[in-house]
Amino acid sequence: EADIYQTPRYLVIGTGKKITLECSQTMGHDKMYWYQQDPGMELHLIHYSYGVNSTEKGDLSSESTVSRIRTEHFPLTLESARPSHTSQYLCASSGPAASEINSNQPQHFGDGTRLSIL
Amino acid sequence: KNQVEQSPQSLIILEGKNCTLQCNYTVSPFSNLRWYKQDTGRGPVSLTIMTFSENTKSNGRYTATLDADTKQSSLHITASQLSDSASYICVVSDRGSTLGRLYFGRGTQLTVWP
Repeated sequence: EADIYQTPRYLVIGTGKKITLECSQTMGHDKMYWYQQDPGMELHLIHYSYGVNSTEKGDLSSESTVSRIRTEHFPLTLESARPSHTSQYLCASSGPAASEINSNQPQHFGDGTRLSIL
Repeated sequence: KNQVEQSPQSLIILEGKNCTLQCNYTVSPFSNLRWYKQDTGRGPVSLTIMTFSENTKSNGRYTATLDADTKQSSLHITASQLSDSASYICVVSDRGSTLGRLYFGRGTQLTVWP
């Protein structure tokens, strides 16, 4: 099984709070991703990283930010949470390949953080 | 517009029966197609990845097919088990640039009854 971990699994918090969702992988993967998933809907890419000190915004506009200071760690931060941020957030990683973000390597996903903003 | 459409949206079958899930895509240019299984409350897990030159790939009781000409894929599950109850997601990757991207379907929710 993939060794990628997300914490917390569930978070219920009030509006205006600063939130950091943690994601760590022990596979030494260069590429890491954050997705947002609502019930019955497709995953939307919100951030990705090719490696240390590399971060890019994804397809879905997000008010969150990410950092990649270490290969194994890719935290996502919301500076001021709002009810519209309520969703499931999935972190993924994939093995080293050429410069392409999507090679034929599968993405390994964590079990997600289900975030509810009151 | 690049899209991935899956059908049916949901499916209920009895344990031991076979079923086939469909995926149609308009993504171009095409790099590969992936099927993932997502259990409730868990992250997706990769089942198969197929490139343009592959038209079938198996993983245990799961067999995926790909017709790159008609841009269709199917996932066939043989002798279903209760543990097969999950959402099955079709994902297509393009080669539009050196920064290829993934296009996700909304998934087929499969329920296996005893």
